[in-house]
Amino acid sequence: EDQVTQSPEALRLQEGESSSLNCSYTVSGLRGLFWYRQDPGKGPEFLFTLYSAGEEKEKERLKATLTKKESFLHITAPKPEDSATYLCAVQAWGASGSRLTFGEGTQLTVNP
Amino acid sequence: NAGVTQTPKFQVLKTGQSMTLQCAQDMNHEYMSWYRQDPGMGLRLIHYSVGAGITDQGEVPNGYNVSRSTTEDFPLRLLSAAPSQTSVYFCASSPSGDGRAQHFGDGTRLSIL
Repeated sequence: EDQVTQSPEALRLQEGESSSLNCSYTVSGLRGLFWYRQDPGKGPEFLFTLYSAGEEKEKERLKATLTKKESFLHITAPKPEDSATYLCAVQAWGASGSRLTFGEGTQLTVNP
Repeated sequence: NAGVTQTPKFQVLKTGQSMTLQCAQDMNHEYMSWYRQDPGMGLRLIHYSVGAGITDQGEVPNGYNVSRSTTEDFPLRLLSAAPSQTSVYFCASSPSGDGRAQHFGDGTRLSIL
């Protein structure tokens, strides 16, 4: 059974204070690992896809990295508008349909 | 483009009532899915469809029915609502089933009393 665990559950940062979110996963043949951002009252919004260990993706202040067992979402010099819940999900090869397994998310708050 | 539209946005039901959550997409996507999101549980897949006329069960299908008569619409039916079905429901669509291309609606917040 595919499993995804995210830590911490919640993170408070001061504006400009860099940090990382963790996503540990167990999957039978990784097809892809996905990071989403979710704002209150909204659906998840796609950020990154990572396919193989060693891969990195960047977008503005965010950088996602992948190893064989976990992924990190690094946030550099965050701003208050980066406050959101960040979700990690995995998709296995052979997963029927569009089945994704999600973690519980990390709620990030960036204070000005 | 409207993307994925879910209606209603909020609903309160009494135990035993039935209702249908609507989901429509205008992107001509073949894959559509229903998830529920509960505190401390993450998003869990209820049912999914890989095309019109084809549906299958996800991780937590009990108490829910779906059908897919058109590419655009994928309604979720609660036949006899139970308090355990209180949750936020999200519909998603994608052209290929790839997680990078998933488009989510803004959810339906459902309370069962």
